[in-house]
Amino acid sequence: AQRVTQPEKLLSVFKGAPVELKCNYSYSGSPELFWYVQYSRQRLQLLLRHISRESIKGFTADLNKGETSFHLKKPFAQEEDSAMYYCALLNNAGNMLTFGGGTRLMVKP
Amino acid sequence: DVKVTQSSRYLVKRTGEKVFLECVQDMDHENMFWYRQDPGLGLRLIYFSYDVKMKEKGDIPEGYSVSREKKERFSLILESASTNQTSMYLCASSSRPGLEQETQYFGPGTRLLVL
Repeated sequence: AQRVTQPEKLLSVFKGAPVELKCNYSYSGSPELFWYVQYSRQRLQLLLRHISRESIKGFTADLNKGETSFHLKKPFAQEEDSAMYYCALLNNAGNMLTFGGGTRLMVKP
Repeated sequence: DVKVTQSSRYLVKRTGEKVFLECVQDMDHENMFWYRQDPGLGLRLIYFSYDVKMKEKGDIPEGYSVSREKKERFSLILESASTNQTSMYLCASSSRPGLEQETQYFGPGTRLLVL
């Protein structure tokens, strides 16, 4: 069974500080992972996906198969990054996502 | 731009009532999903559908049923609402696996309170 774990429910940092939101997964196949974000009063939306190897809004995430992790990082947090972040794992059939419990990021001025 | 809409933003129902949550998408997506979102538990999949009249149970289907009579519409039904079904319900849709834009697009959510 596939499983996604986000160990921190709340992460609070000051503006300009580096931020890392942790995500660990368990999966027997070849993982395809995503980060979704939900800003206050907005709908959940895709932030980035590992196969794209892109940087969105200054965020990056590297898949580490050895550590089964997909941590989300940003070198300098901004106040507008405050949101709920979810890590998600796609199944082999490519039609179902398993979400982690979410991490609320608060960036203080 | 993909649009996923949900019929209500807020609902208040009484225990034992039958509740219908409607979701419509306008991108001709094959897959549609219903999740519930609870603090600390993230999103948990209730049911999903990969085609008209097709449905599959997710992780927490008990107490729920679904209906997909048309491709664009996916309904979640609570046959007899209970207080532990108080939650935020999110609908999502996605295209068929293998297509370039294979990601899930979410609706705004319906916050359901069962008294």
